[in-house]
Amino acid sequence: ILNVEQSPQSLHVQEGDSTNFTCSFPSSNFYALHWYRWETAKSPEALFVMTLNGDEKKKGRISATLNTKEGYSYLYIKGSQPEDSATYLCAPPNSGYALNFGKGTSLLVTP
Amino acid sequence: EAGVTQFPSHSVIEKGQTVTLRCDPISGHDNLYWYRRVMGKEIKFLLHFVKESKQDESGMPNNRFLAERTGGTYSTLKVQPAELEDSGVYFCASSQARINNEQFFGPGTRLTVL
Repeated sequence: ILNVEQSPQSLHVQEGDSTNFTCSFPSSNFYALHWYRWETAKSPEALFVMTLNGDEKKKGRISATLNTKEGYSYLYIKGSQPEDSATYLCAPPNSGYALNFGKGTSLLVTP
Repeated sequence: EAGVTQFPSHSVIEKGQTVTLRCDPISGHDNLYWYRRVMGKEIKFLLHFVKESKQDESGMPNNRFLAERTGGTYSTLKVQPAELEDSGVYFCASSQARINNEQFFGPGTRLTVL
């Protein structure tokens, strides 16, 4: 089981603010890094699957970077909107498939 | 295309009773996973099926949990007898390929054991 740390644990920003979170994971035996967005009572929604060191992916206002050598990934949200409020989870898979989730960063965006 | 579905969405049972959770993966996805989130903790891996075969059940907490995937389609997860610490949200996910492939999650079954 991999030790995955996410910070901050929670975040409260105003609409329009840009924000970012960190996911730290062991850099040895790296397979991939998954980011999910999860609203309570709904399905966790896949945002990105990142595999290569230096990878940078973007989906709308959300983007992510990956550093496999030092074992971290950043998730950025540009111009946060209230609908971005959710818990953002990162998960490096163990042996390529079983996801090891961090505790997540809970984001609240207020108008 | 229908996503991953789970039934029931909620279940409240008493300690010692049996509960069976069901997961229907996305059609054509050979890989099916069960995960669990206990309140305040991370989502934890329970087990992985490839078609009807269990590939990895290293995350199953104990022998009160039994997962099946007869015919390689839907899967069930039975808890018998349920204990208080089994309360949590049970997620199912499916994927096409196994390695590094996006896993599509269902909405989960919230299990409460009283």
